[in-house]
Amino acid sequence: KAGVTQTPRYLIKTRGQQVTLSCSPISGHRSVSWYQQTPGQGLQFLFEYFSETQRNKGNFPGRFSGRQFSNSRSEMNVSTLELGDSALYLCASRVGSYTNTEAFFGQGTRLTVV
Amino acid sequence: ELKVEQNPLFLSMQEGKNYTIYCNYSTTSDRLYWYRQDPGKSLESLFVLLSNGAVKQEGRLMASLDTKARLSTLHITAAVHDLSATYFCAVPNKIKISNFGNEKLTFGTGTRLTIIP
Repeated sequence: KAGVTQTPRYLIKTRGQQVTLSCSPISGHRSVSWYQQTPGQGLQFLFEYFSETQRNKGNFPGRFSGRQFSNSRSEMNVSTLELGDSALYLCASRVGSYTNTEAFFGQGTRLTVV
Repeated sequence: ELKVEQNPLFLSMQEGKNYTIYCNYSTTSDRLYWYRQDPGKSLESLFVLLSNGAVKQEGRLMASLDTKARLSTLHITAAVHDLSATYFCAVPNKIKISNFGNEKLTFGTGTRLTIIP
């Protein structure tokens, strides 16, 4: 069974640019969550998508957005990149039911903003 | 707002020794997860603790959950170098919307464990 796949694995962008990250969940999983990991702030929740709808959102500015497609694949977009957006972005997939569903994480996308 | 605290933040221990990592959380939850992260890598699921009093063991690691005390522990027995990593606990915030629930994980700060030969 394939795991959670994130692409690309590494990205270098310039301040002011925008970036799109992709996440393919485990087959059969319908929930995709995104997390940002930085040395200073640790692991922080960005948003969760289920059935192509954003279900929950963390405390991040509107420059951070996402979407989910009918095949459950998800993308997140960051516009007008800032140096502080440099981080490891992790995607997690769950089956999607309300209780007792474990989150499985992808390898992450390492974004560096210069 | 749910807060999750781990201690210690850094732990350096000799091979063969025992130690415990603590995870405290601020609001009621009936589940807790432990993850391991190697440098530059993703999060590997270690334990899923589903109820009060739950205890799970895998090799030299044992995790327990006390929901009344809002405390989980990760105990390391006879540490070996391969256990060097950062360990995170995570507590789910459940939010029910319509007929479909969703949740987010609130992570602890992590414990960077270094095993010294």
